[in-house]
Amino acid sequence: NAGVTQTPKFRVLKTGQSMTLLCAQDMNHEYMYWYRQDPGMGLRLIHYSVGEGTTAKGEVPDGYNVSRLKKQNFLLGLESAAPSQTSVYFCASSPTGVIEAFFGQGTRLTVV
Amino acid sequence: RKEVEQDPGPFNVPEGATVAFNCTYSNSASQSFFWYRQDCRKEPKLLMSVYSSGNEDGRFTAQLNRASQYISLLIRDSKLSDSATYLCVVTTMDSSYKLIFGSGTRLLVRP
Repeated sequence: NAGVTQTPKFRVLKTGQSMTLLCAQDMNHEYMYWYRQDPGMGLRLIHYSVGEGTTAKGEVPDGYNVSRLKKQNFLLGLESAAPSQTSVYFCASSPTGVIEAFFGQGTRLTVV
Repeated sequence: RKEVEQDPGPFNVPEGATVAFNCTYSNSASQSFFWYRQDCRKEPKLLMSVYSSGNEDGRFTAQLNRASQYISLLIRDSKLSDSATYLCVVTTMDSSYKLIFGSGTRLLVRP
């Protein structure tokens, strides 16, 4: 049972480059989330989705875009990467939004 | 003000000690409450949900006080393996539900 899978696990980008992080879940969950975690900051919500075709902004959405074209996939895009986006990115999914969320293993992104 | 606030610690305790973590949240309409555990460089995992009546799971006890908007986690008889960061998590309703994390409390259990 794969659960939540994030791709890639590590990436180094140059300032100004673009990339897409993929989150895939096989649990038929409606809710999916993207967080970033910086030292001493905990997890901060970037964007989230409550179902296929929907997206909403979280606490720190600037510089990121998302899409949920298929229920099982939630994509996070960086159009023009900046050093401030160096972070660990976690994706999570939940059946309803008010019960347990399951996390992927994280993507470590460095922007130089 | 952050929506969910925790003491960052670290709490440095000997094996066998009892340790308590506190968390406050700002949105009185928050619906669900959780404690997650995160090991170094790993993803967060659910430790336990928190109910108004309080709940216990082995050495772990969680309490919720809606009037004070306060959540607590008590760990009894600490083990070395309890060393981790404990994250307080709250579900709030905006246009839809979203999970908001506190910044975490780090626990170090020493031999």
